[in-house]
Order: sequence, then structure tokens, then C-alpha cells
Amino acid sequence: SQKIEQNSEALNIQEGKTATLTCNYTNYSPAYLQWYRQDPGRGPVFLLLIRENEKEKRKERLKVTFDTTLKQSLFHITASQPADSATYLCALLNQAGTALIFGKGTTLSVSS
Amino acid sequence: EAGVAQSPRYKIIEKRQSVAFWCNPISGHATLYWYQQILGQGPKLLIQFQNNGVVDDSQLPKDRFSAERLKGVDSTLKIQPAKLEDSAVYLCASSLASRDPETQYFGPGTRLLVL
Repeated sequence: SQKIEQNSEALNIQEGKTATLTCNYTNYSPAYLQWYRQDPGRGPVFLLLIRENEKEKRKERLKVTFDTTLKQSLFHITASQPADSATYLCALLNQAGTALIFGKGTTLSVSS
Repeated sequence: EAGVAQSPRYKIIEKRQSVAFWCNPISGHATLYWYQQILGQGPKLLIQFQNNGVVDDSQLPKDRFSAERLKGVDSTLKIQPAKLEDSAVYLCASSLASRDPETQYFGPGTRLLVL
């Protein structure tokens, strides 16, 4: 069955540094992978989508990479700010192509 | 553009009672999803509707959970009878695409506590 892992439950960094979050998956290669942000008491908010034929995607201070050989995606936030503190969820398209499978998330805390 | 609406926001019930959640997706979105998110976990898909038809309900505990999407717009999710392990946040999401779940928009969720 499809399996998705976000290696770190929590990541603490200082303001201004780059945060790097990892998402690994097994058993098959998804057509695309997504990253969402979730704040306490709220639903997830879509951030970025990267397809299997794309190596890297950027949006403002966010960068996502997708390595289909390693079966891994890295999510970077450059020049991090306390407002970036949240839980970040990785999600991949299931093999049937009909639904998303979410990881457990990594909680990022950025201290000033 | 209005987002996905859900109600109630919070619900506390005793085990064996029944409960219902309501979702109003973004206007024009063909696909609607119900997820269960247990504390410390990612959302887990319970059921997916395309218009008013079910696309995937493979992870819905059908002995106690039911869902419907009347007229392809609003949806309700019901639990009867509830168990302690049903304590979770129930998230509704919608997407524009008819099948591919690209870019899902989530509601704020309903927090259920079963005592």
C-alpha cells in the first residue's frame, strides 16, 4: 500500500534561517505531490504542487523539490519568520489518481 | 469568493449517541471530500463525492458512518452510534476538477469529542 512519511514531527529554527522539511514515500511514484500549511484550529491551506516531471518549484520564499529516484520531496522556507510557524503537511496523489494521501505533518516553530 | 463552510465547529457527545456534520463547498466545485483528522495525524479520506455520486468510500466505516450530498452541493456526514475513537476533527474539502483532486480547499473543520 502507499506509504508517506514526514520524518520530523517538530522542527525549531531561528528567524532568518532556512527551514527544510522532508517527505518520503514508498511503493509507487505519484503523478504529483502537494504541500499544505495547517494552523491550529484551522483546515489545511494549499501551498504548492509539484509534478513528477518537475525537479523544483518556487513560490515567493517557498521552494519544493521532487526526486522520484529517492522518492523524496524537500520543502524549503527561506528567510523564515515567526509567522511561518505552523504544521506543514505533505500529500501525494494515490495510485488510482483519485485522492490525496497525507503525511502526519511537521510542526515548524520559528523563534525571533 | 466564499470558502468551504462547515457546522457546527464543535460538538461534544456521549458514546453511542449520534451526530451529524454539515458542509457547504465552494460554489461550482464538483468534488467534495470528507476527511477525519485525529490529533497528531494527517487528514484521512473518508469519502469523496463527484457531484452527487460517490467516487471513493473505501475507508468509510459503513457500519456507523454515512454521508450524502444532496443535489450535488451541500453534504452531511453522520455517525451513529459514536465511539470514543471517533473523537477527531472532521474536515470537509472541495475541488473544482471533476476527478483529479488538484488543489483542495478545506473548511475549518468540526471538532468532535466523544465521552
